[in-house]
Amino acid sequence: KQEVTQIPAALSVPEGENLVLNCSFTDSAIYNLQWFRQDPGKGLTSLLLIQSSQREQTSGRLNASLDKSSGRSTLYIAASQPGDSATYLCAVSDSWGKLQFGAGTQVVVTP
Amino acid sequence: KAGVTQTPRYLIKTRGQQVTLSCSPISGHRSVSWYQQTPGQGLQFLFEYFSETQRNKGNFPGRFSGRQFSNSRSEMNVSTLELGDSALYLCASRSGTTLTEKLFFGSGTQLSVL
Repeated sequence: KQEVTQIPAALSVPEGENLVLNCSFTDSAIYNLQWFRQDPGKGLTSLLLIQSSQREQTSGRLNASLDKSSGRSTLYIAASQPGDSATYLCAVSDSWGKLQFGAGTQVVVTP
Repeated sequence: KAGVTQTPRYLIKTRGQQVTLSCSPISGHRSVSWYQQTPGQGLQFLFEYFSETQRNKGNFPGRFSGRQFSNSRSEMNVSTLELGDSALYLCASRSGTTLTEKLFFGSGTQLSVL
């Protein structure tokens, strides 16, 4: 059974610092991996999607890497801003498109 | 292009009642998935519909059911509500023709069971 773990559960950094969020999964037979952002009481916004054959994806200040063989992905957010404060979730997809989510990392960026 | 729309935004029900939640996907999207989010269990997959057919199902009891209409709008029904059904219910849509696409989520329906 696939298990997705995100460490740390919470993170607080001063504005301008780089953020590093970790995601690990137990079964390497994934189809793709997505990183999402969730603001309190709201739905999820997809940030990056990495196919199982890819090593990384980049969008603006965001960069996500994937090491399928070791069951790990890392989301880097450069030069953090207070607006980056949110919960970040990773999810792995099986070949049917069913997502298994981690519990998330709650990020606070202080001005 | 309008996003994924979920109604109602908030619901309060009592134990034993039933509830129906609605989701309108992004125009052109034929796949709708439903997820339950609770503080204790996190986000859990309920089911996915594609072109009016259930394509995938999570590990939830039969009290949780859904359907999809020809215009791709989807409804989720929970019968005989229990206190533990209190959660944020999220739906997500994508075109459904490939797995290499992002999911777009609605803002959710917050269900409270008293």
